[in-house]
Amino acid sequence: AQKVTQAQTEISVVEKEDVTLDCVYETRDTTYYLFWYKQPPSGELVFLIRRNSFDEQNEISGRYSWNFQKSTSSFNFTITASQVVDSAVYFCALLNSGNTPLVFGKGTRLSVIA
Amino acid sequence: EAQVTQNPRYLITVTGKKLTVTCSQNMNHEYMSWYRQDPGLGLRQIYYSMNVEVTDKGDVPEGYKVSRKEKRNFPLILESPSPNQTSLYFCASSLYASGGYNEQFFGPGTRLTVL
Repeated sequence: AQKVTQAQTEISVVEKEDVTLDCVYETRDTTYYLFWYKQPPSGELVFLIRRNSFDEQNEISGRYSWNFQKSTSSFNFTITASQVVDSAVYFCALLNSGNTPLVFGKGTRLSVIA
Repeated sequence: EAQVTQNPRYLITVTGKKLTVTCSQNMNHEYMSWYRQDPGLGLRQIYYSMNVEVTDKGDVPEGYKVSRKEKRNFPLILESPSPNQTSLYFCASSLYASGGYNEQFFGPGTRLTVL
């Protein structure tokens, strides 16, 4: 069975602070894909990153960075120098290879206060 | 512009009145899917389609129907809506059925209220 756990339901930070959103996944497959999506207050889902299970390199995109560690089954997301526009719900998701559904975590609501 | 469109964006209806939420994509994607989003539960897959005339149940299919007669369209049908189907619904598509290599593009969402 596959499962995604985002233990942090809500996080509140002051602007310019760094914040890390945790994502822990469970899967029996050796080939799988991990995603992060952002859902701003307007409601749409915005794709942020995809990572496959064979690529453990960390990735940085501007103020965003992702730390993928297979040893701990985690795919954490860090926002550096947070801004008010980062306020959103962030979802981590897991997709096994083959014909399986994309499984989402329950999301973490991030509030960045000016 | 490449996109997934959903209609209507907002709908208030009453129990038992059949409704259809349309979903259309203009990217020639094979794979399409419906999700519902509920507070505290995240997004859960309702149905998906790997190609024309090929559909299958996701995690929460009860009370829903779908069809895939054309590649671009994947309507979600609620034959007899009930209040527990009040939710935010998202349609998504990706290029191929094995979605790992492909980003899933999401529609803007349809907020449905069943009274």
